[in-house]
Amino acid sequence: GENVEQHPSTLSVQEGDSAVIKCTYSDSASNYFPWYKQELGKRPQLIIDIRSNVGEKKDQRIAVTLNKTAKHFSLHITETQPEDSAVYFCAALSGTYKYIFGTGTRLKVLA
Amino acid sequence: GAGVSQSPRYKVAKRGQDVALRCDPISGHVSLFWYQQALGQGPEFLTYFQNEAQLDKSGLPSDRFFAERPEGSVSTLKIQRTQQEDSAVYLCASSPLAGVYEQYFGPGTRLTVT
Repeated sequence: GENVEQHPSTLSVQEGDSAVIKCTYSDSASNYFPWYKQELGKRPQLIIDIRSNVGEKKDQRIAVTLNKTAKHFSLHITETQPEDSAVYFCAALSGTYKYIFGTGTRLKVLA
Repeated sequence: GAGVSQSPRYKVAKRGQDVALRCDPISGHVSLFWYQQALGQGPEFLTYFQNEAQLDKSGLPSDRFFAERPEGSVSTLKIQRTQQEDSAVYLCASSPLAGVYEQYFGPGTRLTVT
């Protein structure tokens, strides 16, 4: 079946540094890639998304890049803050409705 | 407005018991999804409804799992004869339509089977 691989599984950065999380997807027809942030015991919340007709999208300190040829997309967080600490999930839309999620990255921002 | 709500938030069941998990989607959202999230893993798709029609149940792990959305709004996920491997967080999500739309997640129900 379709799958999404996500790396790294854990990431620790100093406050103010950048964090990068990478995902690779298998379904070449995927055309939508959301990123969710999940704080401990809370619901996943969308932080940014990108469609396949765009190579990069930025929203303040968060950016996502997409390489359709390599079937690879990445989340970039700049100037990290302690409140960025959470688990981040990438996902790829497979078909017309099914999200395939990565296994998550636990980000720790050290003050 | 109100987001997606789920109840109960926590459920402890003895092995072999039946459980029912409820999801109240955002009003007017056509699409509703159920996911299973094991500890330390990403959400895994279980089933998808468009209004009251269950269009995909390919992710349900066994015939002990059953979901319904009879009036196209509230949905219930039922697990019969629970097993320890059913222990997980069950997430519900809704979206205005399926496809390239944000899925809004509920807080989840943490099921522990003892």
